[in-house]
Amino acid sequence: NAGVTQTPKFQVLKTGQSMTLQCAQDMNHNSMYWYRQDPGMGLRLIYYSASEGTTDKGEVPNGYNVSRLNKREFSLRLESAAPSQTSVYFCASSSGGGYTFGSGTRLTVV
Amino acid sequence: QKEVEQDPGPLSVPEGAIVSLNCTYSNSAFQYFMWYRQYSRKGPELLMYTYSSGNKEDGRFTAQVDKSSKYISLFIRDSQPSDSATYLCAMSANGAQKLVFGQGTRLTINP
Repeated sequence: NAGVTQTPKFQVLKTGQSMTLQCAQDMNHNSMYWYRQDPGMGLRLIYYSASEGTTDKGEVPNGYNVSRLNKREFSLRLESAAPSQTSVYFCASSSGGGYTFGSGTRLTVV
Repeated sequence: QKEVEQDPGPLSVPEGAIVSLNCTYSNSAFQYFMWYRQYSRKGPELLMYTYSSGNKEDGRFTAQVDKSSKYISLFIRDSQPSDSATYLCAMSANGAQKLVFGQGTRLTINP
């Protein structure tokens, strides 16, 4: 039972490069989320998808795009990475009874 | 002002002590309250889940919600070094969708 799987676990990017963070869940959850976690800032919602085919902005969406590929997969894309996007990114899924989180992606933009 | 306020600590207590962790909130529509535990370099994991006001107990953990004061607490009895982690409160108005998280309290239990 894998739960929520995120790839990659670590990544270093140069300013201006692009990349996609992948997330997949095997719990048949309808809702999926992307958060970033920074020291002193807690977890901040970037984008979420309440159900397959829908996506909405969260608290800090600037510089990011998302795709809900199907019910299982929800990807986060950085089109032109900036040092301010250095963070730990968490994907989560839910069916209404609390979130299940992935193990995170540590991203450094230099 | 943040919707959910949580003292980031750090909090350090001796093994066996009773630990009290707290959050306050401003949105009176919140009805679903959760506590997550996050070990270093791991994702948060759901620890306690409560609806509306009252207490919920699970082993050494007790969650309390006081909606009249907009205040929630997590108590850990007989604390163990393995309880050392960051604890995050989270809450929502509607069926655990779009949770709002507190900043997290970093807790260390000293043997």
